[in-house]
Amino acid sequence: QSVLTQPPSASGTPGQRVTISCSGSSSNIGSNTVNWYQQLPGTAPKLLIYSNNQRPSGVPDRFSGSKSGTSASLAISGLQSEDEADYYCAAWDDSLNGRWVFGGGTKLTVL
Amino acid sequence: QVTLRESGPALVKPTQTLTLTCTFSGFSLSTSGMCVSWIRQPPGKALEWLALIDWDDDKYYSTSLKTRLTISKDTSKNQVVLTMTNMDPVDTATYYCARILSWQGFDYWGQGTLVTVSS
Repeated sequence: QSVLTQPPSASGTPGQRVTISCSGSSSNIGSNTVNWYQQLPGTAPKLLIYSNNQRPSGVPDRFSGSKSGTSASLAISGLQSEDEADYYCAAWDDSLNGRWVFGGGTKLTVL
Repeated sequence: QVTLRESGPALVKPTQTLTLTCTFSGFSLSTSGMCVSWIRQPPGKALEWLALIDWDDDKYYSTSLKTRLTISKDTSKNQVVLTMTNMDPVDTATYYCARILSWQGFDYWGQGTLVTVSS
């Protein structure tokens, strides 16, 4: 049972815009920034979005993040076949002496 | 160029203690704001954060696993070591180490090392 809640799956067709939600609480998303990770099959996760909406160098601007209250979202526009992957949200949680918490992951399928 | 590499046994027996080493390059863990963390992923399952050590030697642990985990660093060797006691088959997972700078997300990851717990 993950602390952050994500839908287990999402899908879209090439060129579409898809969003993935991440729900938390006041001790994590409500008071700290959110990061998003992309994990392609058989590879280590890759930082996609940090500080709610910032993209590391090299991440296409098709990927964007937002946060409101205790929820966050990842949006992917102009969906491409290579975007098929697992996506995870994460945030620092201030409870219990502090800890990082992850979402359960969302498997994105490009139809 | 920042790199991290995990090393340790691929197979451990139940009740044994697991020791994993993260050897990194391209940054110093004595730099203010620098942290290294361990994260694991059981086969087909989600990421699970385990532990973190920062430049000031502050340590943070997963609530559910803190009695079994110890994280330490050797700045001179550019290494971070994680020990996990009393291993169980449910601990079978790929274990990753990752860097965090100024708490802005895990920006660099190792390739991961698969640890299987079986008798």
